[in-house]
Amino acid sequence: DIQMTQSPSSLSASIGDRVTITCRASQGIDIWLAWYQQKPETAPKTLIYAASTLQSGVPSRFSGSGSGTDFTLTISSLQPEDFATYYCQQYTSYPLTFGGGTKVEIK
Amino acid sequence: QVQVVDSGGGVVQPGRSLRLSCATSGFTFNRYGIHWVRQAPGKGLEWVAVSSYDGSNKLYADSVKGRFTISRDFSKDTVYLQMNSLRGEDTAVYYCARAGTSGHNWFGPWGQGTLVTVSS
Repeated sequence: DIQMTQSPSSLSASIGDRVTITCRASQGIDIWLAWYQQKPETAPKTLIYAASTLQSGVPSRFSGSGSGTDFTLTISSLQPEDFATYYCQQYTSYPLTFGGGTKVEIK
Repeated sequence: QVQVVDSGGGVVQPGRSLRLSCATSGFTFNRYGIHWVRQAPGKGLEWVAVSSYDGSNKLYADSVKGRFTISRDFSKDTVYLQMNSLRGEDTAVYYCARAGTSGHNWFGPWGQGTLVTVSS
């Protein structure tokens, strides 16, 4: 199984900050990585797929990069509605696996 | 619009069975895989099972293999997850999700989730 490791597991940031979350795969996954946002008591929302393709309707302050084993999700200017938990997911092989999540909290 | 709606959760005793449903609309059902993903209380996301676009391929996480069965009803554009021999560790919110475009297995959209509680 491919292990996905996210860092940090949590972070505190202020409105307007640039935020970067890292996801590392235990083996190469090309660009087959997605990012999701989840707010408490709600279903996850798809942000990015194929490492850097923004899902329709997602604000342009979100961006993704990387290939192979190392990937990054960046929020260019943190907004109040961005406080949530973020997950990465590989889809190069089964079982599909997620990172452990990064909780973004208000400083 | 593209939509998936999951339902069927509830409280069930260990060893008993439950069937979840995922009703879909707004897209061509026989062109997309459908997945189930679960989230135990306070925990992260865990992929559970997938039915390929035509129902011919079904894959499962090791944690549910032999106990859970995924199936499709093409007349109703609905996917089911039959869960047998339920255990306490199966307690979770279960989400169905459509596979992404071009046959790639990212998830979107997601259902709202249905809670399964296994407890005596």
